[in-house]
Amino acid sequence: QVQLQQSGPGLVEPSQTLSVTCVVSGDSVTRSSVAWNWIRQSPSRGLEWLGRTNYRSQWHNDYEEAVKGRIIFSADTSKNEISLHLNSVSPEDTATYYCARSYISVIQKPDWFDPWGQGTLVIVSS
Amino acid sequence: DIQMTQSPASLSASVGDTVIISCRSSQKISSYVNWYQQKPGKAPKVLIYAVASLQTGVPPRFSGRGSGTDFTLTISNLQPEDFATYFCQQSYRLPRTFGQGTKVEMK
Repeated sequence: QVQLQQSGPGLVEPSQTLSVTCVVSGDSVTRSSVAWNWIRQSPSRGLEWLGRTNYRSQWHNDYEEAVKGRIIFSADTSKNEISLHLNSVSPEDTATYYCARSYISVIQKPDWFDPWGQGTLVIVSS
Repeated sequence: DIQMTQSPASLSASVGDTVIISCRSSQKISSYVNWYQQKPGKAPKVLIYAVASLQTGVPPRFSGRGSGTDFTLTISNLQPEDFATYFCQQSYRLPRTFGQGTKVEMK
């Protein structure tokens, strides 16, 4: 059974960097047929996909345009974990952040998010 | 980006009712639609993927259908544990996008 366990700070000051980590058990973060996604949710913006990372000999990232330039994904394969780093945060980045697995393929076919981490509420405030 | 528009935003229903939630995409997305259920304080959980495929463990009272730009989630014989918020999501193009949600409340 695949499980994603998240951790991260609950409060981040404006202009600082928000980092959330997702430890994966029951699967490998380097499995080439899966992607590790980051999704956030807030009352004002709903569910917003931030991007995904996938390992195929090297790490490949897709980022959502609205956060591109501020967002970086990283991985620690020795701990089987992935991390999200969002810099220059503002109160608009206040949200619950989720990691989630999806399948990825060289040919287009449906994919979906399953499972999800438990979520990490991050508040951006001074 | 592909916009996913759900309706209604909320509805009231009773145990035993049949509920239908609609989702319309801003362009044709073939069979690339998924449905999620979310309960307060919890992460969304996939119910149906690729329009009509039931995720393992999900009761068959949940069903999905549609094609092109119009899709529906039907909950038959609504049970107490089904009162929750439901989201559609497209996996046709990046960025992945979600509907704004439909809250199913107890009448």
